[in-house]
Amino acid sequence: DIQMTQSPSSLSASVGERVTITCRASQGVGNSLAWYQQKPGKVPKLLIYAASSLQAGVPSRFSGSGSGTDFTLTISSLQPEDVATYYCQKYSGALFTFGPGTKVDMK
Amino acid sequence: EAQLVQSGAEVKEPGDSLRISCKASGYSFNTYWIAWVRQMPGKGLEWMGIIYPDDADTRYSPSFEGQVTISADKSISTAYLQWSYLKASDTATYYCARPRGSNSHDAFDIWGQGTMVTVSS
Repeated sequence: DIQMTQSPSSLSASVGERVTITCRASQGVGNSLAWYQQKPGKVPKLLIYAASSLQAGVPSRFSGSGSGTDFTLTISSLQPEDVATYYCQKYSGALFTFGPGTKVDMK
Repeated sequence: EAQLVQSGAEVKEPGDSLRISCKASGYSFNTYWIAWVRQMPGKGLEWMGIIYPDDADTRYSPSFEGQVTISADKSISTAYLQWSYLKASDTATYYCARPRGSNSHDAFDIWGQGTMVTVSS
């Protein structure tokens, strides 16, 4: 099975700071990679699909990049409402494995 | 508007059986896969399995194969997640979710509100 890892597991950043989260797959997944945001007590929300495509309605400060095994989620200017846990997910080969999550809070 | 509405919270004892539901509306239920995702208290998201309602093709995560049963009733646009023997470790919130594309394995853009299952004696 393909395993997904994320780094860091948590981070603190200031308002307006650029935030980068990395996701790595143990084998290549092409561009079949999604990013989700989950705020405390809330339902996960799709941010990015196909590694770099922004889901409708998601602010443009969120962006994704990468292909194969290494992927990145970037928040260009962190806002207070971005405090959440972020998960990557691979969806190739009918297996939909999530990464362990990265918790983002405000410094 | 596509929507998934899940059944309400459950409190069960170890050894009980349980079936929770996920009712779809606003789209063609038969031609979109529906997945189930577990989130244990304070933990991350775990994909459990997925079903294609039109032909009941079902795939399970190796971690959940044999532990749960996923099914769907096309006549009422509802997917189910079922346990025959609950354990305390099944305590979690369970989400149903729909991939973006019809008949495709894709990112999950529509999510149910979650069903909290508590298993305790």
